[in-house]
Amino acid sequence: QSALTQPASVSGSPGQSITISCTGTSSDVGGYNYVSWYQQHPDKAPKLIIYEVSNRPSGVSNRFSGSKSGNTASLTISGLQAEDEADYYCSSYTSTSTVIFGGGTKLTVL
Amino acid sequence: QVQLVESGGGVDQPGRSLRLSCAASGFTFSSYAMHWVRQAPGKGLEWVALISYNGDNKHYADSVKGRFTISRDNSKTTLYLQMNSLRAEDTAVYYCARVLRYFDFWSGLDNWGQGALVTVSS
Repeated sequence: QSALTQPASVSGSPGQSITISCTGTSSDVGGYNYVSWYQQHPDKAPKLIIYEVSNRPSGVSNRFSGSKSGNTASLTISGLQAEDEADYYCSSYTSTSTVIFGGGTKLTVL
Repeated sequence: QVQLVESGGGVDQPGRSLRLSCAASGFTFSSYAMHWVRQAPGKGLEWVALISYNGDNKHYADSVKGRFTISRDNSKTTLYLQMNSLRAEDTAVYYCARVLRYFDFWSGLDNWGQGALVTVSS
């Protein structure tokens, strides 16, 4: 099964908002509400920032929000800050009882 | 606080075997499903396997099915990944990770270990 489709890179200036898309199929993103988003800084373990499409774990800034429409999930980061510069990955449960990740998006804060 | 500490990584030759361990502490290990996720050098995340909280349910990525075995010892609060018939493409940092909700399998991975590097090379 191919990875979920994410843009390779996005960028924005401090204070701006950006959105990262994550496109799958009806067998994964579109079929279930088990979409998660992870933030990964260089040489660090991933950090969960959104689970079940739009929920934030305790301690995660409310500048991070998630949504889904059809087979595409989206992560929006508002009020961009320098520390948001990182790689972002989406993931989804699939109809074959596995997990699939997106290819990752590198966010650059200009 | 939740701690996950992987061990057992290293360098091995193609076709050989290696076992990773993930020592858990700071939570009721027997109530949470656990996953292994890997990341090849300079690449993205790839899901490897899941085991339910009691070990009854296991699922694997197609890329490792039949070669890797996930297991757990709740009495030792330790997760394992037995990797057989290793290939060069198995070279990666392997992370163990805990599921967010207890007794759930798929809700998101809220705690990760620091990772263990496995290098497969002749």
